[in-house]
Amino acid sequence: AQSVTQLGSHVSVSEGALVLLRCNYSSSVPPYLFWYVQYPNQGLQLLLKYTTGATLVKGINGFEAEFKKSETSFHLTKPSAHMSDAAEYFCAVISRGGGGADGLTFGKGTHLIIQP
Amino acid sequence: NAGVMQNPRHLVRRRGQEARLRCSPMKGHSHVYWYRQLPEEGLKFMVYLQKENIIDESGMPKERFSAEFPKEGPSILRIQQVVRGDSAAYFCASSPPGTQYFGPGTRLLVL
Repeated sequence: AQSVTQLGSHVSVSEGALVLLRCNYSSSVPPYLFWYVQYPNQGLQLLLKYTTGATLVKGINGFEAEFKKSETSFHLTKPSAHMSDAAEYFCAVISRGGGGADGLTFGKGTHLIIQP
Repeated sequence: NAGVMQNPRHLVRRRGQEARLRCSPMKGHSHVYWYRQLPEEGLKFMVYLQKENIIDESGMPKERFSAEFPKEGPSILRIQQVVRGDSAAYFCASSPPGTQYFGPGTRLLVL
C-alpha cells in the first residue's frame, strides 16, 4: 500500500519569495514520484518526476524537487514565486515495478497563493 | 501532436440518467487510466485499461460504473442511473508504461 501526505492545504507566499510545497510518501517498494499542477477548471500538467538516478530533479517553470529516501520526502521548490504560479499542486506516487499497472496515488493537493 | 482528449468537457444529467465520458489517449499510448476528483479532495484512481482489457478496477464503485477501451475508438467511462454524489470532475490519463499524461477532464453535474 502507498500513501501521500501534503502538508498544508493552502500555502501563501509573496511574489519573488521562495516556494516550498511539502510532500511525504509511504511505499513498501521504491517509488516513482511526481508533481502535477492544476490550474482552475483545467487538467493536470506534469511538472516533474523522479524515477531513478539523480535525486534532484528539475521541472518546468523553474520548479525542482529533491527525493530524500531517508526522509521519505519529495518536496517541491521554486526560488522566486511568480503570480502565474498560483494553482493547485499535487504530489503523486506509483510503485516502481508496477509496469504502469497501478494507478497513481495522489496527495490531497496544496493550493498555492501568490501575494503581490 | 494532440494530447489526451476528453469529451464532453461539461456534462449535465438529471438523477437516474446515464453519463458517458470519452477519452482518446495520446498517439502511441496504449494505457488508459480514469480518475475522479471530488470537491476539496485529491484525485482518486478508478480504473486502468489497455486495449480490450481491464487491468485494474480496484478503484471503481461496485455498482453503476463501468469502463471499456475497445480495439477501435476512445475509452468510455459509463455511469448508469447517476446520483448527485456522482457530481465530480473525471480525468483520463494515458501513458506508455511510466509517466501518465492527463486530459482536461469532464465535469459532471447531476441535478
